[in-house]
Amino acid sequence: RKEVEQDPGPFNVPEGATVAFNCTYSNSASQSFFWYRQDCRKEPKLLMSVYSSGNEDGRFTAQLNRASQYISLLIRDSKLSDSATYLCVVNMKTAGNKLTFGGGTRVLVKP
Amino acid sequence: NAGVTQTPKFQVLKTGQSMTLQCAQDMNHNSMYWYRQDPGMGLRLIYYSASEGTTDKGEVPNGYNVSRLNKREFSLRLESAAPSQTSVYFCASSEMDRAGDQPQHFGDGTRLSIL
Repeated sequence: RKEVEQDPGPFNVPEGATVAFNCTYSNSASQSFFWYRQDCRKEPKLLMSVYSSGNEDGRFTAQLNRASQYISLLIRDSKLSDSATYLCVVNMKTAGNKLTFGGGTRVLVKP
Repeated sequence: NAGVTQTPKFQVLKTGQSMTLQCAQDMNHNSMYWYRQDPGMGLRLIYYSASEGTTDKGEVPNGYNVSRLNKREFSLRLESAAPSQTSVYFCASSEMDRAGDQPQHFGDGTRLSIL
């Protein structure tokens, strides 16, 4: 089993719709969680950190469920520019505070 | 406002050749990382340097060496390139943070093909 698993998609989303997807992690000791966005053939960029209480940044909402060991990302009022791959990233608190990346969920927003 | 700069952006090598990928950051970050990204595999950590003067193996270190030249620069060397090392390589940096809450900032990648 992969340490961080994501549905690869693609999620085909009509413009203006809401889309949500999850990411599961295997290590219950994981402490820090992030969502990164990666555009085609570009570098990953931090979208948002995920806090225990959940957090919202504009149209984006991230949730953490420690009991079930998953995090989620919800995008409201999808824009064409939201088309990208969303990477789930977990810090498992091993030596060096290394990050473990999921394979990504591809989202395609269409007119 | 360069952030993390990687060179070269593209490279084609023949099997057995060697080369060094360069990475520099201007954010005064303590920690630096090298990843490779293959289709369907996500990013995998090759080596990292938690602070100047230290380096450690990541998930897939075989076939690579690194040098933390100074606080700004962290290079990745392929001594004898193999086709399996064809990939996109990303360098990243972050604040040194024991809590692990600091995000990483990425360079725009090096696309390496080994023939």
